Amino acid sequence: DTGVSQDPRHKITKRGQNVTFRCDPISEHNRLYWYRQTLGQGPEFLTYFQNEAQLEKSRLLSDRFSAERPKGSFSTLEIQRTEQGDSAMYLCASSSRRGGGSNTGELFFGEGSRLTVL
Amino acid sequence: AQSVSQHNHHVILSEAASLELGCNYSYGGTVNLFWYVQYPGQHLQLLLKYFSGDPLVKGIKGFEAEFIKSKFSFNLRKPSVQWSDTAEYFCATEGGDYKLSFGAGTTVTVRA
Repeated sequence: DTGVSQDPRHKITKRGQNVTFRCDPISEHNRLYWYRQTLGQGPEFLTYFQNEAQLEKSRLLSDRFSAERPKGSFSTLEIQRTEQGDSAMYLCASSSRRGGGSNTGELFFGEGSRLTVL
Repeated sequence: AQSVSQHNHHVILSEAASLELGCNYSYGGTVNLFWYVQYPGQHLQLLLKYFSGDPLVKGIKGFEAEFIKSKFSFNLRKPSVQWSDTAEYFCATEGGDYKLSFGAGTTVTVRA
């Protein structure tokens, strides 16, 4: 499967622990996005990268959240000192940008990493 | 800021019935519009998209959507649903800032 892969698929942790999620995008895609989805809601934007540069962070992303994409390939999303309110599905998506500046607009999503904070 | 409103939270219908899901967006500029679908246990995938041109867009699996600029709407339709169309459907916009804003989603249950 050459789609977007995320690891782990499920994570159960105790409040106050740190967790890290990994995302491997489609190899030729230069944009990588993190979204969060809670029950009954659509995905909410958290942050995105173009290559290794983090271009935008949502106000939803508190100081306990950090994302990296060190070599412009895979990305990690770390949550420090987890809280019960962090329980959600964390979605990664990637996309490509066509030459000439236009964006295809289509995001390709992984299956998500479900976090449960006890 | 962009926002997307989906009219129905849960729709239940029988096979062969017609489906229409409402989507309204609030953004004054040029937007790109999308419908994504999430089948049970699967990842989000694109159904169709509108960037410009013909406002009636055809997507996969017999779905279509119509962009009506004056109404800020992008409703999704399918003339005759199948049991396999049971899924959650999300409308999304992209306003040139390279990120999508999603609606809350509509769960569609098709009864055999």
